[in-house]
Amino acid sequence: NAGVTQTPKFQVLKTGQSMTLQCAQDMNHNSMYWYRQDPGMGLRLIYYSASEGTTDKGEVPNGYNVSRLNKREFSLRLESAAPSQTSVYFCASSEDDKSTDTQYFGPGTRLTVL
Amino acid sequence: QKEVEQDPGPLSVPEGAIVSLNCTYSNSAFQYFMWYRQYSRKGPELLMYTYSSGNKEDGRFTAQVDKSSKYISLFIRDSQPSDSATYLCAMSAAAWYAGGTSYGKLTFGQGTILTVHP
Repeated sequence: NAGVTQTPKFQVLKTGQSMTLQCAQDMNHNSMYWYRQDPGMGLRLIYYSASEGTTDKGEVPNGYNVSRLNKREFSLRLESAAPSQTSVYFCASSEDDKSTDTQYFGPGTRLTVL
Repeated sequence: QKEVEQDPGPLSVPEGAIVSLNCTYSNSAFQYFMWYRQYSRKGPELLMYTYSSGNKEDGRFTAQVDKSSKYISLFIRDSQPSDSATYLCAMSAAAWYAGGTSYGKLTFGQGTILTVHP
């Protein structure tokens, strides 16, 4: 049982390049989330998927797109990377999106945009 | 003004000390309160969870919520070097739907970096 896995672990991009961050969970969870973590800002929600087939914007969605590929996988795409998107990105999942459901986090992807 | 404020520290204490970590918030709709622990280069993991006001104890950890003051705390007794991590508070508003189920996204504090030295 791997929990939540993320690929890649590290990535360096040049401004304007695109990339997709991959996330998968093996806990049969319905809800999945993408956060970014910046110094002094805590974790901020980018997008979430309450269930397979649905996605919704979070607090900081600009510059990102997501795809809930199936129940296990939720990807985050940067179409044209900008230096402001340099951050650590975390994927999380929970059984459902109820207030009482624990969110389980992946190990993170460290992205630098030059 | 951020909805959730947390002193980023860093906080450095000797082994065996009592540690107090705190968050204040402005949104009176927050009903669910959590503390996450994040080791260096790892993802956050849930440490404690409380609903509404009151105390909750789990081993060396005690979480307190004072909704009247919009203030939550995490106390660590007999702190150990293995407690060295970043501690994040998180909160969720209650949005009640039919059947009594509440849905709400998490709002995180900035995190406090704690070092416990031997």
